[in-house]
Amino acid sequence: AAGVIQSPRHLIKEKRETATLKCYPIPRHDTVYWYQQGPGQDPQFLISFYEKMQSDKGSIPDRFSAQQFSDYHSELNMSSLELGDSALYFCASSSQDNYGYTFGSGTRLTVV
Amino acid sequence: AQKITQTQPGMFVQEKEAVTLDCTYDTSDQSYGLFWYKQPSSGEMIFLIYQGSYDEQNATEGRYSLNFQKARKSANLVISASQLGDSAMYFCAMREGTGRRALTFGSGTRLQVQP
Repeated sequence: AAGVIQSPRHLIKEKRETATLKCYPIPRHDTVYWYQQGPGQDPQFLISFYEKMQSDKGSIPDRFSAQQFSDYHSELNMSSLELGDSALYFCASSSQDNYGYTFGSGTRLTVV
Repeated sequence: AQKITQTQPGMFVQEKEAVTLDCTYDTSDQSYGLFWYKQPSSGEMIFLIYQGSYDEQNATEGRYSLNFQKARKSANLVISASQLGDSAMYFCAMREGTGRRALTFGSGTRLQVQP
């Protein structure tokens, strides 16, 4: 079965650079969620999209933005990167008729 | 206040024994969902089991069962017949309300299965 695809798997950026993370949800899943998991931390909700509209917002920094496109894939754009942005970034998707949330394998971002 | 509390930062269990990982939650919603995820050292987040607030029966999925005590607001995960491959971080999470709500995670419990 198709899963949630995230790219890239690993990313190394320097401070003050920008990064773009991509997420391709499971087909027919209409909602995408982004989470940030710092080292030794639990995942923290950043933002979600339903039918290409932002549906909920968590602790997403102003330097970050995200959108969902017509094909339902989503991108998380991160600017002015800081060392503290180093984390594992998860995307998850869900649908109304499925209580479950399927997570992608994550993108490990390292800011140096 | 913490919405999801996991009080066991680390647990050890012998192979083939059962282990219970604790989770308590806090919500004023009548409708909510409780989830357990496994995160091995490779980092992926693997769904284990789900319990809805209106489900009267405890959820079970193979070796995993969820001991749901609604009045006590607890949703403990029971892993029977532990295997070495069960060594991982385990997160309890909650979706408050219905629909397309994000999950809130607890701080996790690191389980180590010993041979």
